[in-house]
Amino acid sequence: DSGVTQTPKHLITATGQRVTLRCSPRSGDLSVYWYQQSLDQGLQFLIQYYNGEERAKGNILERFSAQQFPDLHSELNLSSLELGDSALYFCASSGRGWGTGELFFGEGSRLTVL
Amino acid sequence: AQTVTQSQPEMSVQEAETVTLSCTYDTSENNYYLFWYKQPPSRQMILVIRQEAYKQQNATENRFSVNFQKAAKSFSLKISDSQLGDTAMYFCAFMKQNNAGNMLTFGGGTRLMVKP
Repeated sequence: DSGVTQTPKHLITATGQRVTLRCSPRSGDLSVYWYQQSLDQGLQFLIQYYNGEERAKGNILERFSAQQFPDLHSELNLSSLELGDSALYFCASSGRGWGTGELFFGEGSRLTVL
Repeated sequence: AQTVTQSQPEMSVQEAETVTLSCTYDTSENNYYLFWYKQPPSRQMILVIRQEAYKQQNATENRFSVNFQKAAKSFSLKISDSQLGDTAMYFCAFMKQNNAGNMLTFGGGTRLMVKP
């Protein structure tokens, strides 16, 4: 158990809809990262938050947005969903500073868009 | 931007034998970390091994070891005494050291099948 909690684990929705994925980082971790993994592909970095502020942004679509709340949990909002958005969305967290460099991953939220 | 390349989409090995997975990366950074993550069918991302770029000694974790060649920007993973439970996708990942956080850049993955 990595200590990172993601909900929901599975989500099925239709094109054009909007969904919200939630992530609770490990206790004490200030950084939260979102990654997208399409079928049998590598993980693509979407966005990072550190202590409530956006810190780095990858190839995140304009239809996607995220935020980190004062209690450090994060939400990834996906809107106007398309079939190609079907993927496994991972959240990861890391501690203060450089540390060991390790990211701790949640179990992922599998999104299926029909 | 950093790139990570895994040139072997799929590999197979007999149980109890040794297999090496390749990874190359491109960066202008001098301080960074390299990782191998394992993703079994459960899809959980599991850290296998890490290597700090400033360390010349290759990292080892039980049956897993790496061959880190900094000048060649190569970071291969050797799995000894392969077990059926090693069957998984393996991802090589790069992390540069900076104040912006610990963002990982992943390679495309190698699917490893361990055969009985």
